[in-house]
Amino acid sequence: DAKTTQPNSMESNEEEPVHLPCNHSTISGTDYIHWYRQLPSQGPEYVIHGLTSNVNNRMASLAIAEDRKSSTLILHRATLRDAAVYYCILVGSGGSNYKLTFGKGTLLTVNP
Amino acid sequence: DTEVTQTPKHLVMGMTNKKSLKCEQHMGHRAMYWYKQKAKKPPELMFVYSYEKLSINESVPSRFSPECPNSSLLNLHLHALQPEDSALYLCASSRLGQGFGGYTFGSGTRLTVV
Repeated sequence: DAKTTQPNSMESNEEEPVHLPCNHSTISGTDYIHWYRQLPSQGPEYVIHGLTSNVNNRMASLAIAEDRKSSTLILHRATLRDAAVYYCILVGSGGSNYKLTFGKGTLLTVNP
Repeated sequence: DTEVTQTPKHLVMGMTNKKSLKCEQHMGHRAMYWYKQKAKKPPELMFVYSYEKLSINESVPSRFSPECPNSSLLNLHLHALQPEDSALYLCASSRLGQGFGGYTFGSGTRLTVV
């Protein structure tokens, strides 16, 4: 499985934008970039995913580098409820199974 | 219904007990997964079911026995567990093929083996 590299932790202030980086230099052409987050004492939650183009949804935006070797999850206005571990995961599209392998993720702290 | 429901939320069992964890979804997802998460660690994949058939077993000890009775239900049968098996057990589901849009996770069962 292709690996991703994320900072161990990041800190943000409430109501400010947050840019969470992810490096994936060995990504293959058919790998999707997925982001999940896990709030304390909860299961992981799907945030967003993309292949080549930037993506937006109600939770966040995903900016993908032109060479696809890195991506950035953007939270436009952080709230205290966004404090979580954020995981960047590559998901292959080959076969009928989509195996989600978690790395260590980035622990985001949001200051009031 | 956009949820994955796991029961029970908490379970304490002895090393000689037999217990089962249950997972249910009604989103029409045809893939279901079991993950194990130790404290302060990322989730680790245990099993994958695709169209109700076991497709991936990540070398999980036989004291964990998965079962998928139908497309909405996934069970994890536990027998003769060890204290080191204490963890949060997470169930997830997803579509397969062109409709794949990510995994939906349950809140987990927190298992303590005594």
